[in-house]
Amino acid sequence: GQNIDQPTEMTATEGAIVQINCTYQTSGFNGLFWYQQHAGEAPTFLSYNVLDGLEEKGRFSSFLSRSKGYSYLLLKELQMKDSASYLCAVRVGTGFQKLVFGTGTRLLVSP
Amino acid sequence: EPEVTQTPSHQVTQMGQEVILRCVPISNHLYFYWYRQILGQKVEFLVSFYNNEISEKSEIFDDQFSVERPDGSNFTLKIRSTKLEDSAMYFCASSNSGLAGGPGVRETQYFGPGTRLLVL
Repeated sequence: GQNIDQPTEMTATEGAIVQINCTYQTSGFNGLFWYQQHAGEAPTFLSYNVLDGLEEKGRFSSFLSRSKGYSYLLLKELQMKDSASYLCAVRVGTGFQKLVFGTGTRLLVSP
Repeated sequence: EPEVTQTPSHQVTQMGQEVILRCVPISNHLYFYWYRQILGQKVEFLVSFYNNEISEKSEIFDDQFSVERPDGSNFTLKIRSTKLEDSAMYFCASSNSGLAGGPGVRETQYFGPGTRLLVL
């Protein structure tokens, strides 16, 4: 089966740093994606990890440890517009790739 | 920047009716997907499509569902006889490469804005 766990909700203050964790147990692994989703909108791509280590992209960084089945998304210098759900998704399969999503972490950034 | 588009943005239908949801993937992408998200729940994979045929489908994608690429740009999802539990946001996605390969964002799936389907 496929199991991806994330915290349901997190709160943080504008300007702060927040880390959103994701653990996964999936049959097959071909990369982990983080998407941002504002309420009622489509997921938008943030980052992609397929090898262990840290990927940095502006205010966002994502880390992967395949041996631990663990990833995190780090958001720095939080802004009010970062209030959204953050979805961890694992690409599974050996052929054409489908994404298996976690339930998402709703982040609320307060002033 | 190229983007996936979907129409309509909202669709209300009666139970038992057929609906067709339309998507225009990013123009140089070859791999297409449909996902759905029931309100308050996680995004779920429905089907992937490549080279004019289904490459994988989930248990949700039963005989009531079908997909088609009727021309060079559109990708459609048809639900033949809608049920109340089909009410959800339906997202189309596309990617440049569906196959596992080297690291890189070319494999990234880009999502359209979604069609909110309400079955009454």
